[in-house]
Amino acid sequence: SQKIEQNSEALNIQEGKTATLTCNYTNYSPAYLQWYRQDPGRGPVFLLLIRENEKEKRKERLKVTFDTTLKQSLFHITASQPADSATYLCALASYSSASKIIFGSGTRLSIRP
Amino acid sequence: DTAVSQTPKYLVTQMGNDKSIKCEQNLGHDTMYWYKQDSKKFLKIMFSYNNKELIINETVPNRFSPKSPDKAHLNLHINSLELGDSAVYFCASSQDGETEAFFGQGTRLTVV
Repeated sequence: SQKIEQNSEALNIQEGKTATLTCNYTNYSPAYLQWYRQDPGRGPVFLLLIRENEKEKRKERLKVTFDTTLKQSLFHITASQPADSATYLCALASYSSASKIIFGSGTRLSIRP
Repeated sequence: DTAVSQTPKYLVTQMGNDKSIKCEQNLGHDTMYWYKQDSKKFLKIMFSYNNKELIINETVPNRFSPKSPDKAHLNLHINSLELGDSAVYFCASSQDGETEAFFGQGTRLTVV
């Protein structure tokens, strides 16, 4: 069955360092891989999308890589700040499953001052 | 202006009751979804609709019945509520169905 794993349930790093979150998937051929941020008591908010034919995407301090051979995406936040503390969700969609975005279980990131 | 709004934000009800959650989006998107987020924070898709038409039904018990009167609205009706239905339910929308979903603030349902 299709599976998305974010293999760190929680990540705790020092302010100013780069946070790296991992998303692995199995039995899936995604056309798009997306990252969302979720704060407590709120709905997820879209951050970045990367397509199957792209290797890397950047937006300000965020960088996403996508390796379809390894079936893995890495999500980096450089120069991390306490305000970056949140849960980050990886999400996949494919051409064969229209109108369906499936989510990983998330990584709770804490940035300590 | 709220892009995706759902009501109510909190819902506490007894087992066996029937309840509805309403969702509206003002983004002009064609696709709308319902997701359930359990106590472990796992976000699981329940339904998706495209232009009022049901596309995805992820083996959800038939006590859950979504209704889309038009493409801007997707309501969720739940019959005979059970303790295990307690969760946060999120409505979302997307222009093309596969990318950049916009979520509502969630409805925390507690069944007692």
